[in-house]
Amino acid sequence: EAQVTQNPRYLITVTGKKLTVTCSQNMNHEYMSWYRQDPGLGLRQIYYSMNVEVTDKGDVPEGYKVSRKEKRNFPLILESPSPNQTSLYFCASRVRQGITDTQYFGPGTRLTVL
Amino acid sequence: DAKTTQPTSMDCAEGRAANLPCNHSTISGNEYVYWYRQIHSQGPQYIIHGLKNNETNEMASLIITEDRKSSTLILPHATLRDTAVYYCIVTFRGTASKLTFGTGTRLQVTL
Repeated sequence: EAQVTQNPRYLITVTGKKLTVTCSQNMNHEYMSWYRQDPGLGLRQIYYSMNVEVTDKGDVPEGYKVSRKEKRNFPLILESPSPNQTSLYFCASRVRQGITDTQYFGPGTRLTVL
Repeated sequence: DAKTTQPTSMDCAEGRAANLPCNHSTISGNEYVYWYRQIHSQGPQYIIHGLKNNETNEMASLIITEDRKSSTLILPHATLRDTAVYYCIVTFRGTASKLTFGTGTRLQVTL
């Protein structure tokens, strides 16, 4: 089954404790991205990657890092989490071929930073 | 990317067509209209997209006005499972294009 998986799905942590949210897709997509969703603000893009070893900032990259060492994985790293990073996070991968242009989203990771 | 305007919420009776409008008066000639929906904090789900012609797939139809300043997503026979927030997004279809989600329209399908 074609899917995007994220782990963990829920995480409660404390300020300053480094964490990584993993994202993996099995569709061989080149393009992947991370979004955060906050009440009243919609989804906002954090980082995106157009292929292995190619990443770039989205709209709200501060406080986050990403890496893309393999096509299927795109982890989101919070080196020193702060309470304002409490949010719902979504990973997505994209297929753009001919008329097809679809982003597939993961199930989300709800992060709470105390 | 062009800004979009959608109603905050709408209701629809089950079995009836749900027509969700979107205004995008500043859309440029090579920007596409995309629709996604999000069911109760799940990951957003792609529905349909188009440039200027009307489009239809197994989920919905997309009607784009001739001047492209507005569009309507049509769910022909809404069911309770279609209750969700629907996002209209206008963006270029380039390699690095991103989806900018606003606050969308909350569609409530009722019995």
